[in-house]
Amino acid sequence: AQSVTQLGSHVSVSEGALVLLRCNYSSSVPPYLFWYVQYPNQGLQLLLKYTTGATLVKGINGFEAEFKKSETSFHLTKPSAHMSDAAEYFCAVTFNAGNNRKLIWGLGTSLAVNP
Amino acid sequence: EAQVTQNPRYLITVTGKKLTVTCSQNMNHEYMSWYRQDPGLGLRQIYYSMNVEVTDKGDVPEGYKVSRKEKRNFPLILESPSPNQTSLYFCASSVGGGTGELFFGEGSRLTVL
Repeated sequence: AQSVTQLGSHVSVSEGALVLLRCNYSSSVPPYLFWYVQYPNQGLQLLLKYTTGATLVKGINGFEAEFKKSETSFHLTKPSAHMSDAAEYFCAVTFNAGNNRKLIWGLGTSLAVNP
Repeated sequence: EAQVTQNPRYLITVTGKKLTVTCSQNMNHEYMSWYRQDPGLGLRQIYYSMNVEVTDKGDVPEGYKVSRKEKRNFPLILESPSPNQTSLYFCASSVGGGTGELFFGEGSRLTVL
């Protein structure tokens, strides 16, 4: 079965440090990849997505992610963490660009940013 | 403003008392979906709808019903709630197709005693 793995359910960084949140998926089929963020007491919102084209994708709030087919990975990075980045981050994958919107979700990574 | 609106945001109820969580979107999206979020289990899809009068089961449909009589509304019905349905529920919508952005409501926290 296809799956999405987010390494580390909790990640803690200092303000100003690099943020790296890992996401790997299990499939040889070219996927469509997403990162969503959930701030406390809010719904999820899209950070960025990869569908086709350039493998380095830039999103909102200074985040970016790189699709590496050979590693089946889509890690999320931000050069310098800000206190406002503290949130839950979800990686999601779909292998179907048609009308079936079946997404496979990772379990999430909670990011804490320390002053 | 484009948004997905869920009501109620918070609800405490008792076992067996039927309840409905409403979801409405103002973006004319074809696709709508319900998820539940539980600690350690991430997001799990309950039901989804590709368009009006078209609904299908997700990964955890037991104990839930949905309907899609209008494009903008997608209510989630718990006919006889049980404590294992205590959870945080999210409604989401998107344009048709597999690569579009999902827009989420702010969530409905349900406690069943």
